[in-house]
Amino acid sequence: GAVVSQHPSWVICKSGTSVKIECRSLDFQATTMFWYRQFPKQSLMLMATSNEGSKATYEQGVEKDKFLINHASLTLSTLTVTSAHPEDSSFYICSAKDLAGGRLFTDTQYFGPGTRLTVL
Amino acid sequence: GQNIDQPTEMTATEGAIVQINCTYQTSGFNGLFWYQQHAGEAPTFLSYNVLDGLEEKGRFSSFLSRSKGYSYLLLKELQMKDSASYLCAPMDSNYQLIWGAGTKLIIKP
Repeated sequence: GAVVSQHPSWVICKSGTSVKIECRSLDFQATTMFWYRQFPKQSLMLMATSNEGSKATYEQGVEKDKFLINHASLTLSTLTVTSAHPEDSSFYICSAKDLAGGRLFTDTQYFGPGTRLTVL
Repeated sequence: GQNIDQPTEMTATEGAIVQINCTYQTSGFNGLFWYQQHAGEAPTFLSYNVLDGLEEKGRFSSFLSRSKGYSYLLLKELQMKDSASYLCAPMDSNYQLIWGAGTKLIIKP
């Protein structure tokens, strides 16, 4: 249980284009999803926290107009990188919390496999 | 401020035991997670400690001392596939995970 998928797993795009990344919780409902970015050999950096049906909460220094987050349902959140530039090239990872409890710790974040974005 | 201290890199031999230490300082505390991250992949959940003591799960065990701001992850019977980074992530008073750079564990035959 607690499977999170991401699509696409990798994407290469031209500078100035927009890229949408999907994050889905496959076998549980996730009222909260998180979007991270990770550069090589660096720690995970939280970009934003996404709650179903409400606006995402962005971390300091993250441009909300550039990184659009939509959490439309209990199993889907999307991150759109608008007008991507080479410096946006990174590994983007989503995670989700299962608040149903049971055999899962309610505060455990389960991660998707990540999306590697390369902007040319 | 909030801070995590883990060794940057450790090396161990296949079949041996290794202990990865983590000290932390957070604004409030709501438990501590350990994640494993293979190169180029996303983290996977290993363990969660919220009370003092040792939690054992197969070859992996995790220990927590809240008063000392200290945790360790113990890996037994090391296998080559255990080569990965291990991330210690305490959760602060806002239930936010605090991430460090992790410990890169290299397993040698």
